[in-house]
Amino acid sequence: GQNIDQPTEMTATEGAIVQINCTYQTSGFNGLFWYQQHAGEAPTFLSYNVLDGLEEKGRFSSFLSRSKGYSYLLLKELQMKDSASYLCAVPWKLAGNMLTFGGGTRLMVKP
Amino acid sequence: KAGVTQTPRYLIKTRGQQVTLSCSPISGHRSVSWYQQTPGQGLQFLFEYFSETQRNKGNFPGRFSGRQFSNSRSEMNVSTLELGDSALYLCASSAQGVSNEQFFGPGTRLTVL
Repeated sequence: GQNIDQPTEMTATEGAIVQINCTYQTSGFNGLFWYQQHAGEAPTFLSYNVLDGLEEKGRFSSFLSRSKGYSYLLLKELQMKDSASYLCAVPWKLAGNMLTFGGGTRLMVKP
Repeated sequence: KAGVTQTPRYLIKTRGQQVTLSCSPISGHRSVSWYQQTPGQGLQFLFEYFSETQRNKGNFPGRFSGRQFSNSRSEMNVSTLELGDSALYLCASSAQGVSNEQFFGPGTRLTVL
């Protein structure tokens, strides 16, 4: 089976840095996805990590440690528009496009 | 390139009825996956179609079914609707067959009264 844990809510200040953690347990690992979802909208792809380490994409970075079953999403220079839910997901099987999602972390950015 | 489109965007049904939702993937994408999103359960995988064949299925009752056409468009059907089926139904398309980035459509908000 698969299990993904993320904090339910986080609050941060505009301009600051926030780290959203995700721990997972899966029988076979084939990468980890991060998605952003604004209220009432569809999830949008942020990152995909399959190897250990940090991948940076502008203000957003994602880190993966396969041995620890751990990932985090790092958001720098927070903006009000970053207020959204952040979803961690892993493929359900090694073949096919089925994702098991964590419950999501609702991030509130305050002025 | 046009994104994933879903119709209708909003739907209200009553218990016992059935409903069909439609998804048109990004041009060239052959994989379409369906998800149900509710406040209590989050995003849950329903099924995936690839080249007109159901390749994977989640843990949902048989009332939930789907199909994919030769142009990769997909439909999902829910029969004998229950109150608990009220949810946002999202479809996602992907170019490749294995753990590739999925692009989500805007979803269909289904309300069952």
